[in-house]
Amino acid sequence: EDQVTQSPEALRLQEGESSSLNCSYTVSGLRGLFWYRQDPGKGPEFLFTLYSAGEEKEKERLKATLTKKESFLHITAPKPEDSATYLCAVCTLMNRDDKIIFGKGTRLHILP
Amino acid sequence: KAGVTQTPRYLIKTRGQQVTLSCSPISGHRSVSWYQQTPGQGLQFLFEYFSETQRNKGNFPGRFSGRQFSNSRSEMNVSTLELGDSALYLCASSSTRDKAFFGQGTRLTVV
Repeated sequence: EDQVTQSPEALRLQEGESSSLNCSYTVSGLRGLFWYRQDPGKGPEFLFTLYSAGEEKEKERLKATLTKKESFLHITAPKPEDSATYLCAVCTLMNRDDKIIFGKGTRLHILP
Repeated sequence: KAGVTQTPRYLIKTRGQQVTLSCSPISGHRSVSWYQQTPGQGLQFLFEYFSETQRNKGNFPGRFSGRQFSNSRSEMNVSTLELGDSALYLCASSSTRDKAFFGQGTRLTVV
């Protein structure tokens, strides 16, 4: 069964304390992996798309990497405004149609 | 460029009623997807429309339906509401498979 698991569920860091969020996936055929950020009461905001193992993308303090079984979202020297829920999603092909599966997210809280 | 607009933002309905939610995508985007978000299940894919045709469907009962108009605006309908349908319903529009842009969502409460 296709599955996306994010860990940890929640993470509290001090401002400036770097860390990584994990997204592991089990799918029959990966067509793409997405990272989103979601603030309370808002819709998810697109961050990155990764397509193949070894690919990396960066944006400000965030860097996403991809292997054949998992993706990491590295946060370097985070600030309080980076506090949010980070969602991972995979796109896989099922019965000739694309299927999008989201993980349940990691709630990140950065303490000033 | 205006973002994805969902109306209404909040809705309270009684069990057994039906509800229609609306989504206006970003101008030029022909794909609109709908998701249900709950604390227990997270974000779950409902269906996707492209050029007025349903292209993909998730594992939801037939009470959940949708449609897309020629201007790409989309509506989602839930009939015979159940308490478990209480959720945040999100719409996302896209022009390519690379990224999707979400609206603020409609918070539906079924009492």
